[in-house]
Amino acid sequence: EPEVTQTPSHQVTQMGQEVILRCVPISNHLYFYWYRQILGQKVEFLVSFYNNEISEKSEIFDDQFSVERPDGSNFTLKIRSTKLEDSAMYFCASRGMGDNTNYGYTFGSGTRLTVV
Amino acid sequence: AQKVTQAQTEISVVEKEDVTLDCVYETRDTTYYLFWYKQPPSGELVFLIRRNSFDEQNEISGRYSWNFQKSTSSFNFTITASQVVDSAVYFCALQNYGQNFVFGPGTRLSVLP
Repeated sequence: EPEVTQTPSHQVTQMGQEVILRCVPISNHLYFYWYRQILGQKVEFLVSFYNNEISEKSEIFDDQFSVERPDGSNFTLKIRSTKLEDSAMYFCASRGMGDNTNYGYTFGSGTRLTVV
Repeated sequence: AQKVTQAQTEISVVEKEDVTLDCVYETRDTTYYLFWYKQPPSGELVFLIRRNSFDEQNEISGRYSWNFQKSTSSFNFTITASQVVDSAVYFCALQNYGQNFVFGPGTRLSVLP
């Protein structure tokens, strides 16, 4: 079964540093998402991306965050100047065109970001 | 506004007991999808089931079963004869058509040997 791949699985960074989280969505998918889960809390929507632009973002997704699809396969989340409270598990997800079932909406296994 | 409530923060059961995890949702849409995900200690989200708003049939998959009742806006999940490997955090989630997931706060299930 096709997978969404996230790298790295765990990243430790110093406060104030920039970090880029990488995702390879399923190849024929067109909608891309980032979600965040602070330890012990629920999974929260950050941003959705379609046709090379942000289609929706939550209030969490402030100016410190940006997303990019630099080539035909990668989808990245950049945090410009990390804060301690950015420590969380970040999930990437992708979805196919016109398919609103989970079988078109697939989550990656997550990147655990630790800011020290 | 969409919202998912999982009133049980933590549940502990002894192996082989049955356990039901509750989920109550709120949405104004008539077309929506409900999901259950399992999150083991390793952290990934494991898809368990999807249900669309027009299908109120209960579903059974092995030891797992789901009870969807639109009248009470509930989508409860039962594990029969629980096992230690069922220990995890379980999330109920709502997705309105074409929109993003709204997750509940999760229920931590501990199955003791």
